[in-house]
Amino acid sequence: GQQVMQIPQYQHVQEGEDFTTYCNSSTTLSNIQWYKQRPGGHPVFLIQLVKSGEVKKQKRLTFQFGEAKKNSSLHITATQTTDVGTYFCAEVEYGNKLVFGAGTILRVKS
Amino acid sequence: DAGITQSPRHKVTETGTPVTLRCHQTENHRYMYWYRQDPGHGLRLIHYSYGVKDTDKGEVSDGYSVSRSKTEDFLLTLESATSSQTSVYFCAINPGGRTEAFFGQGTRLTVV
Repeated sequence: GQQVMQIPQYQHVQEGEDFTTYCNSSTTLSNIQWYKQRPGGHPVFLIQLVKSGEVKKQKRLTFQFGEAKKNSSLHITATQTTDVGTYFCAEVEYGNKLVFGAGTILRVKS
Repeated sequence: DAGITQSPRHKVTETGTPVTLRCHQTENHRYMYWYRQDPGHGLRLIHYSYGVKDTDKGEVSDGYSVSRSKTEDFLLTLESATSSQTSVYFCAINPGGRTEAFFGQGTRLTVV
């Protein structure tokens, strides 16, 4: 079964509102990656988090890794229509195999 | 796109028929992966390869086989397709030395 739980499943926001998706695991994660998939597209790597409590920013996107390395979040400030898509977290296992969360579908109303 | 090409991009096949999906890469990366994507499940690993003739099973390998006779090609075969194998299939590579994956454009397979 899935080792990484991701919530929410869907999020509809008004353009300009903030958005957050969360990933949780019952076990300690070695590291976690985030991917974005545009509608009809393929997953594209966004970032990797490795250290406990790590915070990384990419423009309006803020990624956090929990102190216990059991959870992670992606926060988008002031969403834009270009942010629509599905956001996945993924744990990296031995051999660089990825265990994905179910994803959060983001829709932005303009 | 890291030089990854999947073929075909779309396929409709009948239950019980064999189907082979191809993933081709142009940059001699060692690690290659096949994932399937289904609503509510994210992407799940089917099989992966560490090199020529070096493959192993992933989380959802039942009903699938793979082959890698050349570095550049990783084939996924459904020996006898079932409706539960209707899905979008993604090939991915890992350039090695870096851990992020690069995905192909995907193959949408429908088994009727």
